[in-house]
Amino acid sequence: EAAVTQSPRNKVTVTGGNVTLSCRQTNSHNYMYWYRQDTGHGLRLIHYSYGAGNLQIGDVPDGYKATRTTQEDFFLLLELASPSQTSLYFCASSDREGDTEVFFGKGTRLTVV
Amino acid sequence: GDSVTQTEGLVTLTEGLPVMLNCTYQTIYSNPFLFWYVQHLNESPRLLLKSFTDNKRTEHQGFHATLHKSSSSFHLQKSSAQLSDSALYYCALSDRHNNAGAKLTFGGGTRLTVRP
Repeated sequence: EAAVTQSPRNKVTVTGGNVTLSCRQTNSHNYMYWYRQDTGHGLRLIHYSYGAGNLQIGDVPDGYKATRTTQEDFFLLLELASPSQTSLYFCASSDREGDTEVFFGKGTRLTVV
Repeated sequence: GDSVTQTEGLVTLTEGLPVMLNCTYQTIYSNPFLFWYVQHLNESPRLLLKSFTDNKRTEHQGFHATLHKSSSSFHLQKSSAQLSDSALYYCALSDRHNNAGAKLTFGGGTRLTVRP
């Protein structure tokens, strides 16, 4: 089964702080995604990438940057964290388009106080 | 853009009763892919079943769903609920275009609680 590893698993930061969430997948998948999960909103796509150096804007990108440094590694950056970014963040990966399964990591719970 | 609607946020039912979770979608693309993902407590979402064939029933782990393009629906059903079915269920939509990968648009989720 596909392995997607996120770190840290929990993070608390202050308003205005700088946070980086990390994700590594070890299954040679081309596509990687960052989602946030909030009650009542489901899972919403922040950014995604289809290869090293590539970045695509998702549905809720405001306040987030992302970078795909290698095929394995995808980072989500919050440069000026706000309380509205308190959420559960999932990284995911898939190997192709359309009908393929997306594999999720275990999530990072971020709290901005 | 694409959208997915799950009308029930919470569903509570008794073990042994049938399950039906509603899902409708909107997309401009004629060949969407529809998915159901399940997320148990403190776990990550995982694929339950998927379909892209109109009017064909898809089954997995006792659950089934049929994609109906005429009504833009992909409802999840099970004949008899089990306690272990208690989880958060997401309907999701993907379409193939512009190197988007499996860019999933999720519904708001339905939390299913099955009680003894």
